[in-house]
Amino acid sequence: NAGVTQTPKFQVLKTGQSMTLQCAQDMNHNSMYWYRQDPGMGLRLIYYSASEGTTDKGEVPNGYNVSRLNKREFSLRLESAAPSQTSVYFCASFGQGISQPQHFGDGTRLSIL
Amino acid sequence: DQQVKQNSPSLSVQEGRISILNCDYTNSMFDYFLWYKKYPAEGPTFLISISSIKDKNEDGRFTVFLNKSAKHLSLHIVPSQPGDSAVYFCAAENTGTASKLTFGTGTRLQVTL
Repeated sequence: NAGVTQTPKFQVLKTGQSMTLQCAQDMNHNSMYWYRQDPGMGLRLIYYSASEGTTDKGEVPNGYNVSRLNKREFSLRLESAAPSQTSVYFCASFGQGISQPQHFGDGTRLSIL
Repeated sequence: DQQVKQNSPSLSVQEGRISILNCDYTNSMFDYFLWYKKYPAEGPTFLISISSIKDKNEDGRFTVFLNKSAKHLSLHIVPSQPGDSAVYFCAAENTGTASKLTFGTGTRLQVTL
């Protein structure tokens, strides 16, 4: 009953360090997403991948890069972390059909000092 | 520009009573609406959804109402139970856009004994 798995669950970085957040789904979903959640801001879309081999920017892409490694895996990279990127990051996947909602992982809590 | 708004950050309801959570949106291109529930340290989990061609959808204790002319939707929980205490996010989607969700800022529901 894995669904969407995110690693790591917690991470502390120093300003300027790099980091890759990993996400894998086992539901054979085509689409995958990265969101960040900040206090009072709800969840905001960073990047998404509508299908294997494609990636597109969301609402807040600056400072991030993504890789859709294969159908199962979608990683988010911070090349040079900044304190403004302190947040909780959620990965989600989506299956076909309007009645299929996005499934979320349990998040990665990232602090940048 | 907040396209999905949840104007009540918190709500407290007695066990057994009705909980009503509200959500407003501004983008008339949204045609599918979802409610997600989130417990601390977990990812959001899908609760209930409604298509713009309907004005009501019911699933057990949960009912979502949609008023397209007012660009307003609400989630009713009857009867409320202590296990319903969580943060509830309203989300909206234009189904022609790779299932990208736009989230509200969330309402924290506390169900008291």
